[in-house]
Amino acid sequence: AQSVTQLGSHVSVSEGALVLLRCNYSSSVPPYLFWYVQYPNQGLQLLLKYTTGATLVKGINGFEAEFKKSETSFHLTKPSAHMSDAAEYFCAVISRGNAGNMLTFGGGTRLMVKP
Amino acid sequence: DAGVIQSPRHEVTEMGQEVTLRCKPISGHDYLFWYRQTMMRGLELLIYFNNNVPIDDSGMPEDRFSAKMPNASFSTLKIQPSEPRDSAVYFCASSSGGKTQYFGPGTRLLVL
Repeated sequence: AQSVTQLGSHVSVSEGALVLLRCNYSSSVPPYLFWYVQYPNQGLQLLLKYTTGATLVKGINGFEAEFKKSETSFHLTKPSAHMSDAAEYFCAVISRGNAGNMLTFGGGTRLMVKP
Repeated sequence: DAGVIQSPRHEVTEMGQEVTLRCKPISGHDYLFWYRQTMMRGLELLIYFNNNVPIDDSGMPEDRFSAKMPNASFSTLKIQPSEPRDSAVYFCASSSGGKTQYFGPGTRLLVL
């Protein structure tokens, strides 16, 4: 079984400040890991993903995430928040070899950016 | 590429009516997924197809829900009869190889 926990359903930062959104997963086999962003009244947009290789993954809009196997984490960061980053962010996992190919999502973190 | 296309974008209907949601996946993708998003339950996978064949429908809430994929470029999710608790945003996603999923804009359903 696989699961995803996102610590903090709401995170508020000031414009220009560091963004850190936390994601921990559980998986019995090595995972594929994803971050999606959802802007109001829109669908989910793929931000970045980890499949194999380098554990530090860069995505769109200046975001990056690091896969840490020992900590079972895949936290999302951005050095400097912009007002346009305000959205809901979802971490998700698929376990390798999972014939079901089912994404398991975390509960989401709503990021608010203060001017 | 146009991305995943869903229609309608908004649907308002009365309890007991039939609702049909439509999805066109990205061309060449062999997996198609239907999700439901609500405030209370978050994102839930309802059903997914591989090469037009339903693989796992364990997330379909009850017999009122049905999904079909008659060909590689079209899928429907039908609710009959609809109930107020079905009000949600329904997303379709597609994937090549089943790992990285690309989502459509969603259909916002309101059942009165």
